[in-house]
Amino acid sequence: DTGVSQDPRHKITKRGQNVTFRCDPISEHNRLYWYRQTLGQGPEFLTYFQNEAQLEKSRLLSDRFSAERPKGSFSTLEIQRTEQGDSAMYLCASSLPGLADTQYFGPGTRLTVL
Amino acid sequence: RKEVEQDPGPFNVPEGATVAFNCTYSNSASQSFFWYRQDCRKEPKLLMSVYSSGNEDGRFTAQLNRASQYISLLIRDSKLSDSATYLCVVRSGGSYIPTFGRGTSLIVHP
Repeated sequence: DTGVSQDPRHKITKRGQNVTFRCDPISEHNRLYWYRQTLGQGPEFLTYFQNEAQLEKSRLLSDRFSAERPKGSFSTLEIQRTEQGDSAMYLCASSLPGLADTQYFGPGTRLTVL
Repeated sequence: RKEVEQDPGPFNVPEGATVAFNCTYSNSASQSFFWYRQDCRKEPKLLMSVYSSGNEDGRFTAQLNRASQYISLLIRDSKLSDSATYLCVVRSGGSYIPTFGRGTSLIVHP
Protein backbone atom coordinates (compact mmCIF):
# COMPACT_ATOMS: atom_id res chain seq x y z
CA ASP A 1 0.00 0.00 0.00
CA THR A 2 1.61 3.27 -1.11
CA GLY A 3 -0.91 5.63 0.46
CA VAL A 4 -0.42 7.98 3.40
CA SER A 5 0.23 6.09 6.62
CA GLN A 6 -0.04 7.24 10.20
CA ASP A 7 1.17 5.73 13.42
CA PRO A 8 -0.20 4.95 15.92
CA ARG A 9 -3.80 4.55 14.87
CA HIS A 10 -5.02 4.98 18.44
CA LYS A 11 -3.45 6.60 21.47
CA ILE A 12 -4.85 6.81 24.98
CA THR A 13 -2.95 8.99 27.40
CA LYS A 14 -3.38 10.70 30.71
CA ARG A 15 -3.72 14.44 31.00
CA GLY A 16 -0.35 16.12 31.24
CA GLN A 17 1.56 13.50 29.27
CA ASN A 18 3.35 14.19 25.99
CA VAL A 19 2.40 12.32 22.82
CA THR A 20 3.99 12.10 19.38
CA PHE A 21 2.37 11.00 16.15
CA ARG A 22 4.03 10.08 12.89
CA CYS A 23 2.90 10.55 9.30
CA ASP A 24 4.48 9.01 6.21
CA PRO A 25 3.21 10.74 3.07
CA ILE A 26 3.06 9.33 -0.43
CA SER A 27 6.69 9.26 -1.51
CA GLU A 28 6.70 11.84 -4.31
CA HIS A 29 4.43 14.31 -2.48
CA ASN A 30 6.29 17.37 -1.28
CA ARG A 31 3.42 18.99 0.62
CA LEU A 32 2.25 17.62 3.95
CA TYR A 33 -0.63 18.86 6.11
CA TRP A 34 -1.79 18.15 9.63
CA TYR A 35 -5.45 18.52 10.60
CA ARG A 36 -7.52 17.88 13.69
CA GLN A 37 -11.07 16.59 13.47
CA THR A 38 -13.63 16.28 16.23
CA LEU A 39 -16.99 14.54 16.06
CA GLY A 40 -19.46 16.31 13.81
CA GLN A 41 -16.91 18.76 12.47
CA GLY A 42 -14.79 18.94 9.36
CA PRO A 43 -11.00 18.70 9.48
CA GLU A 44 -9.42 21.80 11.01
CA PHE A 45 -6.06 22.91 9.61
CA LEU A 46 -3.13 22.81 12.03
CA THR A 47 0.05 23.19 9.99
CA TYR A 48 1.59 22.67 6.57
CA PHE A 49 5.02 21.73 5.20
CA GLN A 50 6.52 22.11 1.79
CA ASN A 51 9.45 19.72 1.79
CA GLU A 52 11.12 20.28 5.17
CA ALA A 53 9.94 23.88 5.57
CA GLN A 54 6.97 24.56 7.84
CA LEU A 55 5.23 27.30 5.90
CA GLU A 56 2.03 27.92 7.83
CA LYS A 57 0.64 27.28 11.26
CA SER A 58 -2.90 27.82 12.40
CA ARG A 59 -3.45 30.52 14.98
CA LEU A 60 -5.40 27.85 16.83
CA LEU A 61 -2.21 25.85 17.30
CA SER A 62 -1.05 26.48 20.83
CA ASP A 63 2.62 26.40 21.82
CA ARG A 64 2.04 22.91 23.22
CA PHE A 65 1.87 21.65 19.65
CA SER A 66 4.97 21.26 17.50
CA ALA A 67 5.51 19.59 14.16
CA GLU A 68 8.61 18.65 12.23
CA ARG A 69 9.50 17.22 8.88
CA PRO A 70 13.28 16.96 9.19
CA LYS A 71 14.19 15.43 5.84
CA GLY A 72 11.18 16.40 3.84
CA SER A 73 9.76 12.91 4.05
CA PHE A 74 7.90 11.75 7.17
CA SER A 75 6.56 14.20 9.71
CA THR A 76 5.90 14.13 13.44
CA LEU A 77 3.34 16.03 15.47
CA GLU A 78 4.02 16.36 19.18
CA ILE A 79 1.55 17.53 21.80
CA GLN A 80 3.06 18.43 25.14
CA ARG A 81 1.16 18.47 28.43
CA THR A 82 -1.97 17.03 26.85
CA GLU A 83 -5.37 18.31 27.91
CA GLN A 84 -8.77 16.64 27.61
CA GLY A 85 -9.67 19.13 24.90
CA ASP A 86 -6.91 17.68 22.74
CA SER A 87 -8.94 14.49 22.30
CA ALA A 88 -9.63 14.26 18.58
CA MET A 89 -8.69 12.53 15.35
CA TYR A 90 -5.40 13.85 13.99
CA LEU A 91 -5.25 13.56 10.23
CA CYS A 92 -2.28 13.90 7.95
CA ALA A 93 -2.57 14.60 4.23
CA SER A 94 -0.10 15.00 1.40
CA SER A 95 -0.24 16.39 -2.11
CA LEU A 96 1.80 16.60 -5.26
CA PRO A 97 3.65 19.73 -6.33
CA GLY A 98 1.32 21.87 -8.40
CA LEU A 99 -1.70 19.90 -7.30
CA ALA A 100 -2.02 21.16 -3.76
CA ASP A 101 -5.75 20.91 -3.93
CA THR A 102 -5.86 17.17 -4.32
CA GLN A 103 -4.98 15.99 -0.87
CA TYR A 104 -4.60 12.36 0.06
CA PHE A 105 -5.41 11.68 3.66
CA GLY A 106 -4.02 9.06 5.97
CA PRO A 107 -6.29 6.98 8.23
CA GLY A 108 -5.65 9.28 11.18
CA THR A 109 -4.53 8.87 14.78
CA ARG A 110 -7.34 8.91 17.32
CA LEU A 111 -6.18 10.53 20.54
CA THR A 112 -8.05 10.11 23.81
CA VAL A 113 -6.86 12.14 26.79
CA LEU A 114 -8.18 10.86 30.10
CA ARG B 1 -19.96 33.87 10.39
CA LYS B 2 -18.04 30.69 9.58
CA GLU B 3 -15.89 30.69 6.45
CA VAL B 4 -17.59 27.62 5.05
CA GLU B 5 -21.08 26.60 6.11
CA GLN B 6 -22.99 23.41 5.45
CA ASP B 7 -26.27 22.01 6.68
CA PRO B 8 -25.16 19.01 8.79
CA GLY B 9 -28.33 17.05 7.95
CA PRO B 10 -28.80 14.17 8.01
CA PHE B 11 -30.46 13.95 4.65
CA ASN B 12 -32.40 10.69 4.70
CA VAL B 13 -33.41 9.58 1.18
CA PRO B 14 -34.59 6.35 -0.49
CA GLU B 15 -32.52 4.55 -3.07
CA GLY B 16 -32.96 6.08 -6.49
CA ALA B 17 -33.73 9.55 -5.19
CA THR B 18 -32.03 12.73 -6.28
CA VAL B 19 -30.52 14.79 -3.49
CA ALA B 20 -28.73 18.13 -3.47
CA PHE B 21 -26.48 19.82 -0.93
CA ASN B 22 -25.41 23.41 -0.80
CA CYS B 23 -22.39 24.98 0.82
CA THR B 24 -21.88 28.71 1.36
CA TYR B 25 -18.55 30.47 1.74
CA SER B 26 -17.82 33.89 3.13
CA ASN B 27 -14.55 34.87 1.43
CA SER B 28 -15.25 36.40 -1.96
CA ALA B 29 -11.57 35.87 -2.87
CA SER B 30 -12.00 32.10 -2.73
CA GLN B 31 -10.70 30.47 -5.87
CA SER B 32 -10.79 26.70 -5.52
CA PHE B 33 -13.72 24.56 -4.50
CA PHE B 34 -14.08 20.86 -3.85
CA TRP B 35 -16.30 18.17 -2.50
CA TYR B 36 -14.73 15.45 -0.36
CA ARG B 37 -16.48 12.34 0.87
CA GLN B 38 -15.89 10.87 4.31
CA ASP B 39 -17.22 7.49 5.34
CA CYS B 40 -17.85 6.78 9.00
CA ARG B 41 -14.55 6.49 10.90
CA LYS B 42 -12.56 6.82 7.69
CA GLU B 43 -10.43 9.54 6.19
CA PRO B 44 -11.79 12.13 3.72
CA LYS B 45 -11.33 11.39 0.02
CA LEU B 46 -11.63 13.79 -2.88
CA LEU B 47 -14.94 13.33 -4.67
CA MET B 48 -14.66 16.09 -7.23
CA SER B 49 -13.41 19.57 -7.91
CA VAL B 50 -15.91 22.31 -8.67
CA TYR B 51 -15.24 24.38 -11.75
CA SER B 52 -16.76 27.72 -12.69
CA SER B 53 -18.60 26.13 -15.59
CA GLY B 54 -19.88 23.30 -13.43
CA ASN B 55 -18.83 19.71 -13.86
CA GLU B 56 -20.33 16.28 -13.90
CA ASP B 57 -18.93 12.87 -13.00
CA GLY B 58 -21.42 10.09 -13.56
CA ARG B 59 -24.29 10.57 -11.13
CA PHE B 60 -22.60 13.53 -9.45
CA THR B 61 -22.87 17.14 -10.58
CA ALA B 62 -21.11 20.05 -8.92
CA GLN B 63 -21.84 23.72 -9.54
CA LEU B 64 -20.42 27.04 -8.41
CA ASN B 65 -22.37 30.26 -7.97
CA ARG B 66 -19.85 33.04 -7.36
CA ALA B 67 -22.44 35.80 -7.18
CA SER B 68 -24.21 34.13 -4.27
CA GLN B 69 -21.04 32.50 -2.94
CA TYR B 70 -22.15 28.91 -2.78
CA ILE B 71 -21.35 25.57 -4.33
CA SER B 72 -23.69 22.66 -4.75
CA LEU B 73 -23.50 18.91 -5.16
CA LEU B 74 -26.28 16.97 -6.86
CA ILE B 75 -26.45 13.19 -6.60
CA ARG B 76 -28.81 11.42 -8.95
CA ASP B 77 -30.13 7.86 -8.58
CA SER B 78 -28.80 7.53 -5.02
CA LYS B 79 -27.21 4.24 -4.05
CA LEU B 80 -26.90 2.73 -0.58
CA SER B 81 -23.15 3.13 -0.98
CA ASP B 82 -23.54 6.91 -1.29
CA SER B 83 -24.27 7.05 2.44
CA ALA B 84 -21.47 9.18 3.86
CA THR B 85 -20.61 12.69 4.99
CA TYR B 86 -19.93 15.16 2.19
CA LEU B 87 -17.42 17.85 3.03
CA CYS B 88 -17.32 21.16 1.21
CA VAL B 89 -13.80 22.56 0.83
CA VAL B 90 -12.79 26.07 -0.18
CA ARG B 91 -9.35 27.53 -0.78
CA SER B 92 -8.56 31.21 -1.14
CA GLY B 93 -6.24 32.46 -3.82
CA GLY B 94 -2.60 32.64 -2.79
CA SER B 95 -2.97 30.10 -0.01
CA TYR B 96 -2.38 26.37 -0.01
CA ILE B 97 -4.61 25.99 3.00
CA PRO B 98 -8.09 24.62 2.40
CA THR B 99 -11.00 25.32 4.72
CA PHE B 100 -13.37 22.44 5.32
CA GLY B 101 -17.03 22.73 6.15
CA ARG B 102 -18.46 20.57 8.93
CA GLY B 103 -19.98 18.21 6.38
CA THR B 104 -23.45 17.11 5.39
CA SER B 105 -24.53 13.62 6.35
CA LEU B 106 -26.37 11.56 3.74
CA ILE B 107 -28.20 8.36 4.56
CA VAL B 108 -29.61 6.38 1.66
CA HIS B 109 -32.07 3.70 2.74
CA PRO B 110 -33.61 0.78 0.83
